[in-house]
Amino acid sequence: GQNIDQPTEMTATEGAIVQINCTYQTSGFNGLFWYQQHAGEAPTFLSYNVLDGLEEKGRFSSFLSRSKGYSYLLLKELQMKDSASYLCAVSSNDYKLSFGAGTTVTVRA
Amino acid sequence: IAGITQAPTSQILAAGRRMTLRCTQDMRHNAMYWYRQDLGLGLRLIHYSNTAGTTGKGEVPDGYSVSRANTDDFPLTLASAVPSQTSVYFCASSEVGDPYNEQFFGPGTRLTVL
Repeated sequence: GQNIDQPTEMTATEGAIVQINCTYQTSGFNGLFWYQQHAGEAPTFLSYNVLDGLEEKGRFSSFLSRSKGYSYLLLKELQMKDSASYLCAVSSNDYKLSFGAGTTVTVRA
Repeated sequence: IAGITQAPTSQILAAGRRMTLRCTQDMRHNAMYWYRQDLGLGLRLIHYSNTAGTTGKGEVPDGYSVSRANTDDFPLTLASAVPSQTSVYFCASSEVGDPYNEQFFGPGTRLTVL
């Protein structure tokens, strides 16, 4: 089975940086995804890491350490529209995703 | 249509009634999934299908059934709804075998069982 932990809530100010951590314990690993989900909407893909290191995509970056079972999502230059839930998900060897409970990020002016 | 559609958008259902949630994708993905999302619990996999004609159980399959008669459609049936099945249901699809198997989600169905 999978055990995926991430903080429940985070609050930050517009223009700031926020780092959302995710730790996982899995019986098989085929990559780690981050999804963004605005209230009342479907999750949408943000990033994918399968090798150790940092992947950067504009204001968003994602890091993975497979040996530590650890990932983080870094959101830079926060904007009000970044207020959403961020879901960490681990892909197992059979390609199914197991999701963490999600981190709700609130951006304040 | 483009992507994944789900119907209905929302539904209020009496306990004991039968209900089918519909999901259709036009991306020709081989795999499809049904999740439920509850506050504090995140997305949990109910059933999945890796290809037309095959289905499998996820983490929380009890009380639900699925079928996959063709590539595009993956309906989820609640044979006799109970209040604990009140949730938001998301359908998703992906191309298993792609380098990173991104899952694409439908807009969701909000189901209330009274």
